[in-house]
Order: sequence, then structure tokens, then C-alpha cells
Amino acid sequence: GAGVSQTPSNKVTEKGKYVELRCDPISGHTALYWYRQSLGQGPEFLIYFQGTGAADDSGLPNDRFFAVRPEGSVSTLKIQRTERGDSAVYLCALAPYNEQFFGPGTRLTVL
Amino acid sequence: AQSVTQPDIHITVSEGASLELRCNYSYGATPYLFWYVQSPGQGLQLLLKYFSGDTLVQGIKGFEAEFKRSQSSFNLRKPSVHWSDAAEYFCAVLGGGADGLTFGKGTHLIIQP
Repeated sequence: GAGVSQTPSNKVTEKGKYVELRCDPISGHTALYWYRQSLGQGPEFLIYFQGTGAADDSGLPNDRFFAVRPEGSVSTLKIQRTERGDSAVYLCALAPYNEQFFGPGTRLTVL
Repeated sequence: AQSVTQPDIHITVSEGASLELRCNYSYGATPYLFWYVQSPGQGLQLLLKYFSGDTLVQGIKGFEAEFKRSQSSFNLRKPSVHWSDAAEYFCAVLGGGADGLTFGKGTHLIIQP
């Protein structure tokens, strides 16, 4: 993806565990998005940051999901008490204008 | 809330043949419209976008799309497909007060020799 890296590329965890997924913009874009792509589906919006603050978190499915971006650059998506239904590819995107450029994603598998 | 429909889950096209992938959206005003391509193991790549102006937009890799307000459609076309075009194609819309893109479920394009 243009200008953004995501780590880890793959994460396997057990049901009930806590995970953190990282998005690292290479360049300084103020707008950052998280999406989740389940198998056979299009990406679904989770949360949007403008700078350090979450401008729109309406897509977070429940309170087990949380995301931060403390310095307005790197963002971390945190999932507590993971469930098998959380298995998906989690995508980060930057939006210098109204276009969104996606990172390679983190594939999360919850066993 | 806006929605995006891609009616075709799978499409098979012969190499060298023309292609049209359908996309319909539901939104009150003129949204921003996008087509993305996702190859196996690859991230989402932006093919083209429509914001305003000329309703026929050109993108990368020889793709184009036409915005038709009367039909609420934004279909993707290519005159002659190559085997490397085999991938998943997603139509997306931005608008309606939502900050994130709303994607369709995607169309899986298969290229046969």
C-alpha cells in the first residue's frame, strides 16, 4: 500500500486473548482509517482519526474494540477478549485528500 | 445510509474480450465513487475515482468507469482484458455524512485463456 505499513502481517491468537494491530504511516497524513474485511466480503469501516482524535468510531462493532493514535501518526487497533468472529483482515488506510490508500493489512485468526 | 450493490459475485471473461463490472449505489446526492482492485495476497489498489465533472473517468491499467446519475450506477469497463486482470474488484462510495468508505461485496473476475 502507498505510504503505510501494518504489523504484524499475520496474527494467530486464541479465543479470549488480547491483540494489538499496528498501522504505521510512512508520511504524515492527518486522516487515518481502520477497516475490517471478512472472508468473501468488502471492507467495513471501523474508525476514522483526524490527527490524534477519533473523529468517527461508529463502525466499531462493540466495546471490545478500541483504537488510539496518541501522536497523530502511528495508530494501534486493540481487541480485547477476542472471539472467533473477529477473524478477518484488518486494513489501515490514509487519506491525503478524499482518496484512501490502503496498507497491506493484518490477517487475524482467532482459534 | 448509503449502500453499494455489486450484482455479480463472479464473472468469467476470455482473455482479450471486453469487460463490464456493474455497481449500483444508494445515496441521495452525488457521492464520491471509487473502484478498487485486490489481487490475491495484495492490498487494495485504487483504479479510479469520480468526484464531479466529466462522467466518464479514466483510471490505471486501461480501466474506465461511467457515472450515470439516472441509474445510480458506476460501472467499470475495460476494452480488452489481460490474464493479469484476474482479481477481486470492489466498488465503493463516500458520502452521506459517513466518514468511511462503504464497499460493495466485490466481484471476482476470472480470465480464461
